[in-house]
Parts: sequence; C-alpha cells; structure tokens
Amino acid sequence: QVQLQQSGPGLVKPSQTLSLTCAISGDSVSSNSAAWNWIRQSPSRGLEWLGRTYYRAKWYKNYALSVKSRITINPDTSKNQFSLQLNSVTPEDTAVYYCARTHDGYYDFWGQGTLVTVSS
Amino acid sequence: QSVLTQPPSASGTPGQRVTISCSGSSSNIGSNTVNWFQQLPGTAPKLLIYSNNQRPSGVPDRFSGSKSGTSASLAISGLQSEDEADYYCAAWDDSLNGWVFGGGTNLTVL
Repeated sequence: QVQLQQSGPGLVKPSQTLSLTCAISGDSVSSNSAAWNWIRQSPSRGLEWLGRTYYRAKWYKNYALSVKSRITINPDTSKNQFSLQLNSVTPEDTAVYYCARTHDGYYDFWGQGTLVTVSS
Repeated sequence: QSVLTQPPSASGTPGQRVTISCSGSSSNIGSNTVNWFQQLPGTAPKLLIYSNNQRPSGVPDRFSGSKSGTSASLAISGLQSEDEADYYCAAWDDSLNGWVFGGGTNLTVL
C-alpha cells in the first residue's frame, strides 16, 4: 500500500517561498510507471493541478501554465520523496495543497493535504 | 473557471439514481480517459472511477462511469445518505500538457 506523507509550514508571508515535501512509502519516486503530482484546492479556484515529476530513463517535469514562472518540483531519490517550491506567493496562493500519485493515467493515492495560508 | 464543466449541485432521494455530467473538449475528454473522485469534507479526493468506467477495488458497483465524445458522466444508483459529498471529474489535457479538473458537483441526499 502506497502512502504519501506531506510536511511543511502552514503559514507563509507574502512574497516569500512556499515549500512542501511529500514522503513516499510503498513505492519509489524513481518508479518507471508512476508520476508524482502537486495539486491545490481553494474555494475560488477549485482543484488545480500545479505540476508533476516522473522518471522514464531520465527525469521529466511538467508545470501548469498558471504557475510555471514560479514553481519547482524536485525529486529526492536519497529520501524517496519529492518537493514543491512556489516562489513569490500572494494571498491568492492560499489553499489546501495535496501531493498525489498517478499510475496508468489515474490518481490512486493522495497525501493528507496541507492548508497553507499566505499572510503577513 | 474550470476547464471541465460540471453542474454545481445535484440532489436525489434515497434509493434514487442520479447522474453528474462533465463536459470538456477534444484536447481533454475527447482524447484521454476520465477520472471521477468523491470528496468528503476535510479529506482528500478519493478515486471512484478511472479509465472512464473502471472501479477501483472497494468502490461499490452502485457507482458507474461512461464517456461519449467530449463528455463524461458519473451515475450513482441506489442513492444512500453516505453518498452526500462533492464529486469531481479530471482528465489529461493534450493542449495544456497538464491535468484539468471539473469545478465539482455538490450532491445532496434529500
């Protein structure tokens, strides 16, 4: 059974960087059949996919156009986890952030969610 | 404004059958498979349907999915009070090169 455990601060100041980590158990971040995603959810924007990383003989990353200039998703093979960094945050980035695995074209495992509030 | 369009609300009485629609375009639903999720308050979305009409292990067969062209539907038969939740559709979008979600449908069991 795959488990995803999220960690990171719940409060970030405007203009600073939001950083979250998703620790994987029961699978490998280097899996050749999975992709590792970040999604957020807010009342104003609903569910919004932010990006993903995956390994298919080399590392690939895809980012949503809405955050492409501010986002970085990195795998960490030594700790079997992946991370999200979102720069220059504003109150509009306040949301519940989820990490999730996609496998064969569907989302089968999700992290527990982290409420991140952007406020001074 | 979500890329996939769902009705904001739906309702039914216990035992009834309800359907929730999800409308997209040729770059998402028209060319890729659809996921459906159930979300209870304060929890992460739970996969209900994948590959348009497949149920993961443990999902009751009261839940079914279908797809035609650029639209998909989730049907819930034998409605139960525990089915009261938010429901979302999702698909990969080839033009955006990313996942897109519906805005969600809040289901009320009357």
